[in-house]
Amino acid sequence: KAGVTQTPRYLIKTRGQQVTLSCSPISGHRSVSWYQQTPGQGLQFLFEYFSETQRNKGNFPGRFSGRQFSNSRSEMNVSTLELGDSALYLCASSVDGGRNSGNTIYFGEGSWLTVV
Amino acid sequence: QKEVEQNSGPLSVPEGAIASLNCTYSDRGSQSFFWYRQYSGKSPELIMSIYSNGDKEDGRFTAQLNKASQYVSLLIRDSQPSDSATYLCAVISRDDKIIFGKGTRLHILP
Repeated sequence: KAGVTQTPRYLIKTRGQQVTLSCSPISGHRSVSWYQQTPGQGLQFLFEYFSETQRNKGNFPGRFSGRQFSNSRSEMNVSTLELGDSALYLCASSVDGGRNSGNTIYFGEGSWLTVV
Repeated sequence: QKEVEQNSGPLSVPEGAIASLNCTYSDRGSQSFFWYRQYSGKSPELIMSIYSNGDKEDGRFTAQLNKASQYVSLLIRDSQPSDSATYLCAVISRDDKIIFGKGTRLHILP
């Protein structure tokens, strides 16, 4: 069974630009969540989507947004990029994301974003 | 602010010894707890999950949960150089958000 697939793997953008990252979850998984990882802040939750609806959101500014399609694939967008947005962006999927259901969260390899 | 705290390390352990990693969390309503291993430049991979008080063993790994004291730990027996990585503790809070600790860097000394 294929794992979580993220594209692109590496990208460089300039300040002020916007970026879109894509994530294909494991087949059968309906919950997709996004994380930002930096050396200083660690792994931080951005948002979670389930059945095309944002179900949960972390403490990030509105420049960070996402969506989920009917096939469970998800995209996240960052507008007006800042230098501090340079990070590893990880996507993860699980069957339904419920906390009491024993869902296991599987991560993709991540997208390395550098803002210059 | 719900938090998950881990000692950042590095924790240096001789090969063959037991490595003990600890994590505390602030949300008493948390129900699900996970340990992830992350090699440098790679994404986190699940090592253990635990949901009820006590110990859960899987091969060389044992997860321990004490909800009253709000801590969860991971023991790695017979530590190998390949265990050298950053270990992330993750907790799903009562409002269904997953919160990660900043990780403990583990270094197994050959």
